[in-house]
Amino acid sequence: EAQVTQNPRYLITVTGKKLTVTCSQNMNHEYMSWYRQDPGLGLRQIYYSMNVEVTDKGDVPEGYKVSRKEKRNFPLILESPSPNQTSLYFCASSSSGRTHYGYTFGSGTRLTVV
Amino acid sequence: AQKVTQAQTEISVVEKEDVTLDCVYETRDTTYYLFWYKQPPSGELVFLIRRNSFDEQNEISGRYSWNFQKSTSSFNFTITASQVVDSAVYFCALSEVVGGYQKVTFGTGTKLQVIP
Repeated sequence: EAQVTQNPRYLITVTGKKLTVTCSQNMNHEYMSWYRQDPGLGLRQIYYSMNVEVTDKGDVPEGYKVSRKEKRNFPLILESPSPNQTSLYFCASSSSGRTHYGYTFGSGTRLTVV
Repeated sequence: AQKVTQAQTEISVVEKEDVTLDCVYETRDTTYYLFWYKQPPSGELVFLIRRNSFDEQNEISGRYSWNFQKSTSSFNFTITASQVVDSAVYFCALSEVVGGYQKVTFGTGTKLQVIP
């Protein structure tokens, strides 16, 4: 089954404790992206990757890191989480970054930073 | 800068009523793509439709229809004879080329509640 797999689904952590949210897709998609969803703000792009080893900042990159060492994986790293990073996070992939055919989204990760 | 506006924050309708979700966008490009996604209460995001800027034909898929009007920069979504299963948050999105790659901007979403 074609899918984007995110883990974990739920995570509660403390301020400052580094964490990684994993994302993997099995569709050989070139383009991957991370979004956060907050009430009243919709989905905002954090980082995106056009292909292996090629990443760039989205609209709200502060406090996040990403890497794209393999085509299928695109982890989101929070080096020192803060309460304002409490949010619902989605990983998404698309076959191409040059012509957008629509996203396949992961199931989401609900992160709480206390 | 591209922008997507979904002015309706929440809509409630009684089952079997028709409902239209509005989406207005801003872009300077002549080539772009518009999308609708559905987020049911379970939380996942589901792709519904993609439309390119050169295709203004309306599209119908079962009870769903989409009206694209470049003259008013709108891409509205109508659900005919709504059902409880249509209750969800619906997002409109715009994709255009920025720096050689597609940048996707989402609206803030419209929460639709269909009351039985």
